[in-house]
Amino acid sequence: DTAVSQTPKYLVTQMGNDKSIKCEQNLGHDTMYWYKQDSKKFLKIMFSYNNKELIINETVPNRFSPKSPDKAHLNLHINSLELGDSAVYFCASTMTPSYEQYFGPGTRLTVT
Amino acid sequence: AQSVSQHNHHVILSEAASLELGCNYSYGGTVNLFWYVQYPGQHLQLLLKYFSGDPLVKGIKGFEAEFIKSKFSFNLRKPSVQWSDTAEYFCAVSPTGTASKLTFGTGTRLQVTL
Repeated sequence: DTAVSQTPKYLVTQMGNDKSIKCEQNLGHDTMYWYKQDSKKFLKIMFSYNNKELIINETVPNRFSPKSPDKAHLNLHINSLELGDSAVYFCASTMTPSYEQYFGPGTRLTVT
Repeated sequence: AQSVSQHNHHVILSEAASLELGCNYSYGGTVNLFWYVQYPGQHLQLLLKYFSGDPLVKGIKGFEAEFIKSKFSFNLRKPSVQWSDTAEYFCAVSPTGTASKLTFGTGTRLQVTL
């Protein structure tokens, strides 16, 4: 009964490559998020979608492109990966106006 | 824009000791407040939340937090910690009226020794 799932769990890739991370929620929520957690455990919001529309776009390089094919899915595509992109990426979802966000298990991205 | 400060970066306690983790926020309007916990290698889980009403909020696993509006604080407490409470604890805030934009503090690593 996974509520928010992410694939893959681990991703190791070389600089310059393009990769995607997928997120799915089966909670019926209408809002989804991507967060980045760096090596010091600091969590920062990157993007948010509400009903497939982008509502938050923080100061993120345009190499990062989120896509939401439907309310239950939010994918993150990263072009030209850099060493500094190494982090754990968390997906989360909520049902407005609940405010409580449910997090996925995270995807640990390592760029070598 | 809102911001959150967690002044304790790393706390080490013996089992059965009492816990208080500090959280202060900065925002000009009303906010919703949260504490999340991240056990080693796991995702974030909600411990407790404050939206309105009684400023003393009880959460899961014996945790509670008190919202003190005049101090812009939302400290987390537990009277007696267990080894299994070893984890990273995050305070977070979002403005009321929107489900968006949780802003997290930098986290406090709690280590409970036997």
